[in-house]
Amino acid sequence: SQQGEEDPQALSIQEGENATMNCSYKTSINNLQWYRQNSGRGLVHLILIRSNEREKHSGRLRVTLDTSKKSSSLLITASRAADTASYFCATPKTETSGSRLTFGEGTQLTVNP
Amino acid sequence: GAGVSQSPRYKVAKRGQDVALRCDPISGHVSLFWYQQALGQGPEFLTYFQNEAQLDKSGLPSDRFFAERPEGSVSTLKIQRTQQEDSAVYLCASSLALRGHGYTFGSGTRLTVV
Repeated sequence: SQQGEEDPQALSIQEGENATMNCSYKTSINNLQWYRQNSGRGLVHLILIRSNEREKHSGRLRVTLDTSKKSSSLLITASRAADTASYFCATPKTETSGSRLTFGEGTQLTVNP
Repeated sequence: GAGVSQSPRYKVAKRGQDVALRCDPISGHVSLFWYQQALGQGPEFLTYFQNEAQLDKSGLPSDRFFAERPEGSVSTLKIQRTQQEDSAVYLCASSLALRGHGYTFGSGTRLTVV
């Protein structure tokens, strides 16, 4: 079963707008990761936030983590058509990289030019 | 290589046929994972290798699924007597065995069983 659940399932916005996607999870985590998947391609690692961090930035991406609510959000600012993709949150079973990731169902983002 | 390479990119198999899917991880990556992704769904864990040792195969759906990584680099996922429900994209990922690192995924093999 999926640990992470993203919402919304689908999001359609205009180029230049901000996009916010949310992820909820059920068990305790050491870190939470966000991935992007373009249609027909593999997943690309975007950002990792540790359980002792509340916010993290990378370029136009901003991730927040609220461990008390077991939720995370991914904000993409000033969106571009090239940001159109599915976005997944994932949590590892343990802290090390030798740990299976559990993915959510994903949010399909469409950025209209 | 620069990334994780998977082959073939697409595979059409007749029901009952055996298939073998290959994954070339990034050189030096200790950890290797296989995931199965159904259309419109998130990836589901199948199995995990650390070097040549298969440490977790709890996600393999049946004994028709078998994975190996004999020399700790290239891995093969084999599916015997394929069935229609095996149709999915099979993703391979590798990573350094370091804390807090993300995973590098290949583009996947899309398997269609007819």
